[in-house]
Amino acid sequence: DGGITQSPKYLFRKEGQNVTLSCEQNLNHDAMYWYRQDPGQGLRLIYYSQIVNDFQKGDIAEGYSVSREKKESFPLTVTSAQKNPTAFYLCASSIDANTGELFFGEGSRLTVL
Amino acid sequence: QQPVQSPQAVILREGEDAVINCSSSKALYSVHWYRQKHGEAPVFLMILLKGGEQKGHEKISASFNEKKQQSSLYLTASQLSYSGTYFCGTRARGNFNKFYFGSGTKLNVKP
Repeated sequence: DGGITQSPKYLFRKEGQNVTLSCEQNLNHDAMYWYRQDPGQGLRLIYYSQIVNDFQKGDIAEGYSVSREKKESFPLTVTSAQKNPTAFYLCASSIDANTGELFFGEGSRLTVL
Repeated sequence: QQPVQSPQAVILREGEDAVINCSSSKALYSVHWYRQKHGEAPVFLMILLKGGEQKGHEKISASFNEKKQQSSLYLTASQLSYSGTYFCGTRARGNFNKFYFGSGTKLNVKP
């Protein structure tokens, strides 16, 4: 079955540590996105990628980094520079960057201890 | 650049109707609607691409007023399964690549 796989589902991190969240899709979609969701809040755009080897900052990119070396993969690294990293992270993809619905992974819940 | 949704929360009894509004300060290319259950990922409901377009999904429908940069989601004869948080998502004209979500409307349908 086609879809988006995020891992890990739950992650605990100590302050000062970097952590990488995985996002893999087998939908052959060109565009991929990372969103952050805080309790009771909407989804805020962190980074997005239109095609392989290209990505753009969203509204809250500070303290995060991404790569898009393969079409199916768009990992997100939460660095120690991110002041409040505890949140629910959602990865999504769409067939292209201009149109089409977003398909979401199940999310990764990051807690900083 | 995030669209604004209203109301923030709605409580309904089964069978009642609700309207959720989404407005943007930017000229819109498309509007999407998604529903998210607690602890789960958002699920796509529908997309509106043209001004004046209306779409339906079971008893859930939506309209898009391109001139006013607004969209409304209509839930009629609500069911318990409609409970969740509804988000509009938008792509702006001239900047299709960024996809922004509204702050969400929490809908609670009670028996």
